[in-house]
Amino acid sequence: RKEVEQDPGPFNVPEGATVAFNCTYSNSASQSFFWYRQDCRKEPKLLMSVYSSGNEDGRFTAQLNRASQYISLLIRDSKLSDSATYLCVVNEDSWGKLQFGAGTQVVVTP
Amino acid sequence: NAGVTQTPKFQVLKTGQSMTLQCAQDMNHEYMSWYRQDPGMGLRLIHYSVGAGITDQGEVPNGYNVSRSTTEDFPLRLLSAAPSQTSVYFCASSSPSGTGEKLFFGSGTQLSVL
Repeated sequence: RKEVEQDPGPFNVPEGATVAFNCTYSNSASQSFFWYRQDCRKEPKLLMSVYSSGNEDGRFTAQLNRASQYISLLIRDSKLSDSATYLCVVNEDSWGKLQFGAGTQVVVTP
Repeated sequence: NAGVTQTPKFQVLKTGQSMTLQCAQDMNHEYMSWYRQDPGMGLRLIHYSVGAGITDQGEVPNGYNVSRSTTEDFPLRLLSAAPSQTSVYFCASSSPSGTGEKLFFGSGTQLSVL
């Protein structure tokens, strides 16, 4: 079983719509959680951290559910530029051994 | 502001050849790491370093060596390339402990082993 699992998608989303997707993790002792964005054939870039109380960054909202061991990302008012693969990242210990999900592909269409 | 510089961008090797992927960062980051990315599997940690002279193995270290003689540089050596090492490789750095927040990645190396 993978440590971090994501629905690979693609999630096809009309421009202006809302899309949400989850990521599950297996290690209940995981300490910190992040969403990274990766454009095709490019390097991943940090989108946002995920805090226990949930947090927003503009049109993006991240949630953490420790009891069910998943995190979520919601994108409101989708833009064409939001088309990318979104990587879920979980830090399992303080030495920075990060576990990456395989990514969820989002395709925003006109 | 260069950030993380990774070279080469593309490389083709024959089975059994050796090579070094270069990674340099100019942000004075203590933490540096190497990942490989394969389709459907996400990024997997190969080796990492928390400072000059300190390295440790990640999830998939076999067939790779690293060293960290300076804060800036963290080269990855393939000792005897195998087709299973065909992948996209990313170098990353962060400060202070590599906890994930603001990992800076290089632009990647597409490696094919024939």
